[in-house]
Amino acid sequence: QVQLVQSGAEVKKPGASVKVSCKASGYTFTGYYIHWVRQAPGQGLEWMGWINANSGGTNYAQRFQDRVIMTRDTSISTAYMELSSLRSDDTAVYYCARAPGGVPADCWGQGTLVTVSS
Amino acid sequence: DIQMTQSPSSLSASVGDRVTITCRASQAITNYLAWYQQRPGKVPKLLISAASTLQSGVPSRFSGSGSGTDFTLTISSLQPEDVATYYCQKYSSAPRTFGQGTKVEIK
Repeated sequence: QVQLVQSGAEVKKPGASVKVSCKASGYTFTGYYIHWVRQAPGQGLEWMGWINANSGGTNYAQRFQDRVIMTRDTSISTAYMELSSLRSDDTAVYYCARAPGGVPADCWGQGTLVTVSS
Repeated sequence: DIQMTQSPSSLSASVGDRVTITCRASQAITNYLAWYQQRPGKVPKLLISAASTLQSGVPSRFSGSGSGTDFTLTISSLQPEDVATYYCQKYSSAPRTFGQGTKVEIK
């Protein structure tokens, strides 16, 4: 079955970086985009950007443009999201989700809690 | 960027009630509108794509309508398992903005 399995929870200090992984299985990894969405505690969903798993092309939300890097390793069907210069308001659950081009995401990872605290 | 505005932000209804949630885009997005359900402590689940196309396995009491800037998610007969927060999302182009969510509770 289609599955996205994310890496485990992280605790980081302000100013540090975090890299979250998302391993895909059950489908052809390069046939889809991987989107990243975050959710702060008690808040709504916030779209961060996508990576084309085939070409590696990316599209980031403007507010993350200078702090986020999305990559993928097709040999292990894994996508990565690295967020730098962490602040306390980056504390959130980070989700990866797969979507064919031009359609909404139909499968989500389980989420990775990133806590930013001094 | 196109903004997505949902209303109401929360609602409380009785089992069996008809529930309607609206989503308005600040610019026309044709029908590139999805609805997600997020039950408490769970991962978001895609309910509807293309404004009105029900995903496989989603109960038929859910329906979506609209095009352009105004969209609606309707639950025809609210069930206890429908307690969740519902989000609309535009996917016509990046950024794929979400609405702020509508929390649905049972009265």
